[in-house]
Amino acid sequence: DVKVTQSSRYLVKRTGEKVFLECVQDMDHENMFWYRQDPGLGLRLIYFSYDVKMKEKGDIPEGYSVSREKKERFSLILESASTNQTSMYLCASRDRFGYTFGSGTRLTVV
Amino acid sequence: QKEVEQDPGPLSVPEGAIVSLNCTYSNSAFQYFMWYRQYSRKGPELLMYTYSSGNKEDGRFTAQVDKSSKYISLFIRDSQPSDSATYLCAMTVGSGGSNYKLTFGKGTLLTVNP
Repeated sequence: DVKVTQSSRYLVKRTGEKVFLECVQDMDHENMFWYRQDPGLGLRLIYFSYDVKMKEKGDIPEGYSVSREKKERFSLILESASTNQTSMYLCASRDRFGYTFGSGTRLTVV
Repeated sequence: QKEVEQDPGPLSVPEGAIVSLNCTYSNSAFQYFMWYRQYSRKGPELLMYTYSSGNKEDGRFTAQVDKSSKYISLFIRDSQPSDSATYLCAMTVGSGGSNYKLTFGKGTLLTVNP
């Protein structure tokens, strides 16, 4: 089974901090994604990458950046965390049959 | 009009009931359709994947696609308390480049009562 591992389940950060969310997949997938999930708003795509060092903005990229230096790892960076970035963050990788998601990181910015 | 519409519920049914979950979409270019199940505080997991119009069955689950009406459904037979979760529909236009992006419905919260 494909495994997508997110490094932290719960994080609490202070406003203004730089935050790194890490995601690793073990199946050599080319495509990886970062979503945030909020009640009533569903899943919203932040960034995705279809190859090493390739990235594309999703629907809500403002305040975020990403890094993909190796195929298996896709990092989401909050340059200066704000309280409106408190959310559940989900990483996914994709093969032809759909996405495999990680368990999510619940980030609270105080 | 949103690309994918899904009734958020909540939907509450007794154990053993047949459950029907639905999504409509506006983009006729969508070709691949998926249903995900998400338990509380977990990531979504792929439940069903289908490409063509018609029905696809997997155990107690049946996915139905009607491309002419831009309507997809997920049926759960003999529902169990363990089916209590949020169900998300998702779809994509195809493979290659940015077409790998899935578009999700907002999810329907289902509770199956013992």
